[in-house]
Amino acid sequence: DTTVKQNPRYKLARVGKPVNLICSQTMNHDTMYWYQKKPNQAPKLLLFYYDKILNREADTFEKFQSSRPNNSFCSLYIGSAGLEYSAMYLCASSRSWGGWAEQFFGPGTRLTVL
Amino acid sequence: GDSVTQTEGQVALSEEDFLTIHCNYSASGYPALFWYVQYPGEGPQFLFRASRDKEKGSSRGFEATYNKEATSFHLQKASVQESDSAVYYCALSGPGTQVVGQLTFGSGTRLQVYA
Repeated sequence: DTTVKQNPRYKLARVGKPVNLICSQTMNHDTMYWYQKKPNQAPKLLLFYYDKILNREADTFEKFQSSRPNNSFCSLYIGSAGLEYSAMYLCASSRSWGGWAEQFFGPGTRLTVL
Repeated sequence: GDSVTQTEGQVALSEEDFLTIHCNYSASGYPALFWYVQYPGEGPQFLFRASRDKEKGSSRGFEATYNKEATSFHLQKASVQESDSAVYYCALSGPGTQVVGQLTFGSGTRLQVYA
């Protein structure tokens, strides 16, 4: 099974409220990623977990948090949603092996902040 | 920093037409170059990869050749089908990321093929 699952598929949030998005994979991949995708823009890497180590991009460091309680599960947390957070959030996973492994993507969660 | 440029935002073709989607990159050294395809309602799927100059990647009739001199990795297909309608993303993974392959994506090209 090469499926990456994301829940929910659609999320409506109010400005200032927290948002928690969930991703899971059963491929025993050691790395999981979160991307943000806005219309007509490239998917932008927000952060990734390599095993239990969290790496966040410099420009999103304070805006997004994440947790990975086990190998299969990873969440993306927004403490206080703003209008600018409206986007598609894509989760991906890969097996790191010293080469450039392909990433497996979930279908995404469309977040709308009002 | 690293970047990927896809010239065409949208491409419209008829079945059996020849497809070219242009991809140029900016990165130091020899990054790995990828093409991903995204069908409606799904996440991006890996199409193929190339990691050294003049290497050709291919899958499902699509192909691209790594051109270090031109910093390009253009996607081509000789005869497109309606089922190829999707968004295509060019991406790179920098030479310093061989263990954990963070991807830098282009903005995508929407291909619509008409029967």
